[in-house]
Amino acid sequence: EAGVAQSPRYKIIEKRQSVAFWCNPISGHATLYWYQQILGQGPKLLIQFQNNGVVDDSQLPKDRFSAERLKGVDSTLKIQPAKLEDSAVYLCASSPGQFADTQYFGPGTRLTVL
Amino acid sequence: DQQVKQNSPSLSVQEGRISILNCDYTNSMFDYFLWYKKYPAEGPTFLISISSIKDKNEDGRFTVFLNKSAKHLSLHIVPSQPGDSAVYFCAASRAGNNRKLIWGLGTSLAVNP
Repeated sequence: EAGVAQSPRYKIIEKRQSVAFWCNPISGHATLYWYQQILGQGPKLLIQFQNNGVVDDSQLPKDRFSAERLKGVDSTLKIQPAKLEDSAVYLCASSPGQFADTQYFGPGTRLTVL
Repeated sequence: DQQVKQNSPSLSVQEGRISILNCDYTNSMFDYFLWYKKYPAEGPTFLISISSIKDKNEDGRFTVFLNKSAKHLSLHIVPSQPGDSAVYFCAASRAGNNRKLIWGLGTSLAVNP
């Protein structure tokens, strides 16, 4: 079974530029999560999708971050414009159902904002 | 407000000995706890979990103990192997909150040959 795929793996941009990350969850997984992990901290949930609907986006900085899940499968997370404090690893995870506690993570995208 | 706390940022253990990683939580509504392992440049990998109706769950070399009265759980790795060297995250969830995982800051385990 293929795992969660993410791209790119690394991205370096200057502040005020835009960036987009892509995630392909495990086939058949209904729930998709985007996390932000700053060095030395645990993952912070940004947004949770159930199929293509948003379940929780309470910690998503909506003035600059946006996310969508196309046809309930792939997802993209966008930052526009980026700030220095957005430098982090962005993790995508998926789980079989909305209340499945075990989440399966992709390798993450390391974003550096200069 | 850190609801899940891992007070030891790092731990060093000799190969073959026991590794004990600790986690404390403050929210008594948490009813499901998980441990994830993370290698550098990889996403976290699920390791083991425990429901609040149990006090112990074992999977091979890994055992998680839950003490609800103390709001404390621990992960035991016996025997420890060099490949266990990684960052270990404790996470917790509760019903009625979309099962959102609340994460600790992680403990970096180094198993020395």
